[in-house]
Amino acid sequence: QQPVQSPQAVILREGEDAVINCSSSKALYSVHWYRQKHGEAPVFLMILLKGGEQKGHEKISASFNEKKQQSSLYLTASQLSYSGTYFCGTESVQGAQKLVFGQGTRLTINP
Amino acid sequence: GAVVSQHPSWVICKSGTSVKIECRSLDFQATTMFWYRQFPKQSLMLMATSNEGSKATYEQGVEKDKFLINHASLTLSTLTVTSAHPEDSSFYICSARSSRSADTDTQYFGPGTRLTVL
Repeated sequence: QQPVQSPQAVILREGEDAVINCSSSKALYSVHWYRQKHGEAPVFLMILLKGGEQKGHEKISASFNEKKQQSSLYLTASQLSYSGTYFCGTESVQGAQKLVFGQGTRLTINP
Repeated sequence: GAVVSQHPSWVICKSGTSVKIECRSLDFQATTMFWYRQFPKQSLMLMATSNEGSKATYEQGVEKDKFLINHASLTLSTLTVTSAHPEDSSFYICSARSSRSADTDTQYFGPGTRLTVL
């Protein structure tokens, strides 16, 4: 079953922060986050594994609450280059390999 | 590292013809590759999982006789859309899962192939 992302869209000014949530009705083994720009393939951001991980790279970080079957992506001091559609992909069983993607969150960063 | 290429980037074909799309992992071996289809402003929908040397596993609702998948080597998977029709027009994206122990959970996506069927 497809995970639910919220919000569906968000508009920010450069330098503002954003949080994108991903919720699943199924128990999760891992959550994968991607960013896709128009007409391009998704770019891998990070993966969070079962165990309540938190990760970060520069000003983008994420957390995974396996009990709540939720993950959140945090964008701090957003840059223009952060614009795009963010997808979470969930894996319910270790080794199942295939990902089920949420419907996406469109992020627009204005100068 | 972890680069996935697709060829062609775009293709326009007439209704009824077949189109082959290649997906290659350039700097790693991929035991598993995935094929997705994405319609405008929609999410990525998994079509099938392709394992090297074995038959592909198709998702429910995907016609295996229409979307032929071959995973002949650890670096190449092909998707052939047979007897394409206008409703098959879409953005087809492959991804590859590395066999390296350090990042076997990560899927790397190719740049996608835009198919337009006239």
